[in-house]
Amino acid sequence: GAGVSQSPSNKVTEKGKDVELRCDPISGHTALYWYRQSLGQGLEFLIYFQGNSAPDKSGLPSDRFSAERTGGSVSTLTIQRTQQEDSAVYLCASSLGDRVGYTFGSGTRLTVV
Amino acid sequence: GENVEQHPSTLSVQEGDSAVIKCTYSDSASNYFPWYKQELGKRPQLIIDIRSNVGEKKDQRIAVTLNKTAKHFSLHITETQPEDSAVYFCAAGRGNQFYFGTGTSLTVIP
Repeated sequence: GAGVSQSPSNKVTEKGKDVELRCDPISGHTALYWYRQSLGQGLEFLIYFQGNSAPDKSGLPSDRFSAERTGGSVSTLTIQRTQQEDSAVYLCASSLGDRVGYTFGSGTRLTVV
Repeated sequence: GENVEQHPSTLSVQEGDSAVIKCTYSDSASNYFPWYKQELGKRPQLIIDIRSNVGEKKDQRIAVTLNKTAKHFSLHITETQPEDSAVYFCAAGRGNQFYFGTGTSLTVIP
């Protein structure tokens, strides 16, 4: 596609439920990243994929968070047993390769009530 | 890993004045330094970048400088306009992975 697509754009869920966030990167972009942005805060790194593998999962805040990427394209970020502190905008970005800037998606605004 | 610090966290300037945002990084192996602008409610967008073999880069009213020895880099916006108001993020890294600063909220006062 022309840009990085994320869905849903907004998600309201009850505490304790599982949620799945989707990211469709720019076609041909081998690198994919998930970031979290809390209200008025910076960009918190979550996980990075190169192709289908995730060389760096160090940013995942707890074992309730997991992510996968299949076919070197679409990625899903899953949050199990959501907590209120998980409320944030989850941003996905992709890049073509080495030392090239990211293109960000519009994000998924997650609200846990 | 890399640690990027960004200052100031907020900045207000009069329209037409210049704005400067500074970042430092810790990993001397970092070789790519992009800057992103995030308008309210929108996604971050790349506005300018610099590679480690260059000391300065300019694009119209925006310029970035890099001091590898001191491990710091700066964004300079001249002749600021109200539409420059946004949050600006610096980043540093190498290969495919970058680490972001905490952002600077710039307000340009008409």
